[in-house]
Amino acid sequence: AQKVTQAQTEISVVEKEDVTLDCVYETRDTTYYLFWYKQPPSGELVFLIRRNSFDEQNEISGRYSWNFQKSTSSFNFTITASQVVDSAVYFCALRNTGNQFYFGTGTSLTVIP
Amino acid sequence: GAGVSQTPSNKVTEKGKYVELRCDPISGHTALYWYRQSLGQGPEFLIYFQGTGAADDSGLPNDRFFAVRPEGSVSTLKIQRTERGDSAVYLCASSLIFSGANVLTFGAGSRLTVL
Repeated sequence: AQKVTQAQTEISVVEKEDVTLDCVYETRDTTYYLFWYKQPPSGELVFLIRRNSFDEQNEISGRYSWNFQKSTSSFNFTITASQVVDSAVYFCALRNTGNQFYFGTGTSLTVIP
Repeated sequence: GAGVSQTPSNKVTEKGKYVELRCDPISGHTALYWYRQSLGQGPEFLIYFQGTGAADDSGLPNDRFFAVRPEGSVSTLKIQRTERGDSAVYLCASSLIFSGANVLTFGAGSRLTVL
C-alpha cells in the first residue's frame, strides 16, 4: 500500500523564520518518486520538486531545501527566511511504478508579517 | 494550450442532477488525471488516462462517476444523480508520461457544489 503522511496540519511562523514541513511515506516499491506541491490561496497546485528513490542527495533551490532520507522514509521540506508569499498549503506526494500519485493531506503554512 | 484548462470553474447544481466537468490538457501530454479535493484534504485520485483509454479507474467512488477521453486530448468527467457529498473541487492534471519526468501540471479546478 502507498501512503503519504503529513502530520503537521497547520503551522504559523513569523516572517524571516525558518520552517520545516514534514513528510513521511510508505511504499513497497523500490522505484518511486517523491514530490512537493504548493497550493496558494488561488487554488492551483504548483510543482516544486521531484526526487527519485535512488537519489538521496539533498537539494537546495534558493530559500527552499529538501532532505530525503530513505532510512526513515521521510522527505522534508525547509523554507529558510520565510516570506509572506510562502503562505500556502503544501502537499507531499508519492508516485509509484504504476504512475499513480498519492498525496498527503497537506500542511497549511501561514507566514505572519 | 499553455496550461491545463478546466471548465466550468464553478458549478452549482441540485441534488439528483447530472453534471459534466471538462478538462483540456497541455497539448501533447499523453497522460491525464482526475482528482477530487475536499475542504482541508489532499487531492484524492479518481482516474488516470493514457491516451484514450483509462489506465486506472480504481479511484472512482461508484458507478455514478464516469470519465471519457475519446480523442486522447480533452477529457470529460461525468457525474450522474449528484449527491451533496459530491461537493468538492475536481482537479485535472496532465503530464508527459514517457518523458521520465512525469510531473503533474494541474488546472485551477472545477468547484462543484451540490445543494
